[in-house]
Amino acid sequence: GIQVEQSPPDLILQEGANSTLRCNFSDSVNNLQWFHQNPWGQLINLFYIPSGTKQNGRLSATTVATERYSLLYISSSQTTDSGVYFCAVMRSGTYKYIFGTGTRLKVLA
Amino acid sequence: DTAVSQTPKYLVTQMGNDKSIKCEQNLGHDTMYWYKQDSKKFLKIMFSYNNKELIINETVPNRFSPKSPDKAHLNLHINSLELGDSAVYFCASSPKRGLGIYNEQFFGPGTRLTVL
Repeated sequence: GIQVEQSPPDLILQEGANSTLRCNFSDSVNNLQWFHQNPWGQLINLFYIPSGTKQNGRLSATTVATERYSLLYISSSQTTDSGVYFCAVMRSGTYKYIFGTGTRLKVLA
Repeated sequence: DTAVSQTPKYLVTQMGNDKSIKCEQNLGHDTMYWYKQDSKKFLKIMFSYNNKELIINETVPNRFSPKSPDKAHLNLHINSLELGDSAVYFCASSPKRGLGIYNEQFFGPGTRLTVL
């Protein structure tokens, strides 16, 4: 099946710093999402981005489907950005999302 | 006006018991899912229904049985609970099946199951 790798696995930042999270996948996909799981366990949709670039406030994401990766950029990080960031992909011709193992982010005040 | 809701939020039970988790979505979506998140935060799909039809059934013990009475509801019944079933179970929904169609998923708040 499709492999989804996220890097880095863990990240500690000072408030105000910028970061880039990466998601690599091993097969062609037609759906891709980024989620934030906050410390209370809630899964929050950040981006639905099977291709191209999107921005939402301090967050932006880019997916280059032909090269099989997606990037999530967090600028001017805040303590509320702490949590786990997941990438999930749906391989073309299938009906299910496969999640990456996540990037655990901690933002220090 | 919660989009995807689950009950209960917490479930503590003894080994061997049978329990159910309920999920409802008011987004008008066609497809619903159950995921299991283990203690290492790994999220794995268990089942998916599209318009009450089972379309994904991963290698899950047959003690787990999903039921979809209508396309807005997907329940999960677990028989003879075991210690290893302790996890957080998430329900999700999306507008369409895959195969190139827009298919953004939205998750419920999760149900934390603890088996003693």
